Amino acid sequence: DAGVIQSPRHEVTEMGQEVTLRCKPISGHNSLFWYRQTMMRGLELLIYFNNNVPIDDSGMPEDRFSAKMPNASFSTLKIQPSEPRDSAVYFCASSLTGQGIRNTEAFFGQGTRLTVV
Amino acid sequence: SQQGEEDPQALSIQEGENATMNCSYKTSINNLQWYRQNSGRGLVHLILIRSNEREKHSGRLRVTLDTSKKSSSLLITASRAADTASYFCATVDRGAQKLVFGQGTRLTINP
Repeated sequence: DAGVIQSPRHEVTEMGQEVTLRCKPISGHNSLFWYRQTMMRGLELLIYFNNNVPIDDSGMPEDRFSAKMPNASFSTLKIQPSEPRDSAVYFCASSLTGQGIRNTEAFFGQGTRLTVV
Repeated sequence: SQQGEEDPQALSIQEGENATMNCSYKTSINNLQWYRQNSGRGLVHLILIRSNEREKHSGRLRVTLDTSKKSSSLLITASRAADTASYFCATVDRGAQKLVFGQGTRLTINP
């Protein structure tokens, strides 16, 4: 398996523009996580899905942020409109979770470095 | 949201020495995991310890868990320059699946 695939790797956009980050989880995994990493705030959990359903979005900072998982192999994180303070590295991770599953390690993508100018 | 704190925030040691990093958390957990992040890269899973386990080994890694103190430690023995990275602990709460990370320890191994 190619692992968790995120695109794009780098994104530079102007303030006010819409930004869409994409993630393809590992085939067969049923949990997907979106994280944001900055020097000031560390690694923050934004939202996680289980079986394509959003379970906890309490980490989404504002209504400008939205995430979808239309099927088991694809998820998006959208920021509209973007602001300079959204500049960060955004990571997607996936894992296999559930009753009877003993190893719940998460596998991370390489991240998308977002710069909003 | 951050689960807890890691200590120290930064650690610099000589190659060959042992490195110990600590993690504290606040909730009742199902398991605790340690991850490593090289600069500019994604996190890589190192080891998982369940709430009913007290110690676990994997190669040069040794993890302990004290649920009464809500703390864990990661020991890297015989450190190498290639161990230079940031190390994060993460917890999974009981009855949940979400993985919440600490702030991390930046480890530098000097050759």
